[in-house]
Amino acid sequence: SQTIHQWPATLVQPVGSPLSLECTVEGTSNPNLYWYRQAAGRGLQLLFYSVGIGQISSEVPQNLSASRPQDRQFILSSKKLLLSDSGFYLCAWSARRGRVNEKLFFGSGTQLSVL
Amino acid sequence: DAKTTQPPSMDCAEGRAANLPCNHSTISGNEYVYWYRQIHSQGPQYIIHGLKNNETNEMASLIITEDRKSSTLILPHATLRDTAVYYCIPIFYSGGSNYKLTFGKGTLLTVNP
Repeated sequence: SQTIHQWPATLVQPVGSPLSLECTVEGTSNPNLYWYRQAAGRGLQLLFYSVGIGQISSEVPQNLSASRPQDRQFILSSKKLLLSDSGFYLCAWSARRGRVNEKLFFGSGTQLSVL
Repeated sequence: DAKTTQPPSMDCAEGRAANLPCNHSTISGNEYVYWYRQIHSQGPQYIIHGLKNNETNEMASLIITEDRKSSTLILPHATLRDTAVYYCIPIFYSGGSNYKLTFGKGTLLTVNP
């Protein structure tokens, strides 16, 4: 069965510090991978998605970047965190081919607080 | 993708059926209706989806009107663990390899003891 691992669960970082959140998927090959963010009291916002190694699409301009060094690994980074980067970050995957019954599977999330 | 309208919040008594409405009057013929839910501090979870016909699985039932302009998610016997934000998401299936979900504000369902 497929599983998605996301860590850490919580993170407190000072403004201006770097960030690296990692997500890995097991039990599937060639997944689409996604990073979402949920700010306090707000909806889920798609930040990045990837359809393959080294292929990253950004949905919104921001202080963050994403990388996919391996097929089942997705990393969210920042060189210098801002207060506005605080939020609940979620990694997700879906099967590569766009079949009608495709679903998104989410990780357990990382609660990031930038102070 | 079609725009959706959901009530911001609903209450339901434990053990009773929870009926969550969603209006998607601008939905196109190629858009499926997907439902997800998000329990507090967790990632969203897929519930069910449909195109035209009513659907049922182990979690819920989905009733789609004949004109497809609205749908209702039914949790037949709500439990306290069903307290969550429920998202109705029309998704256009293009057959391509990209698959993006755009989450709205959803409905906060509170199941009361």
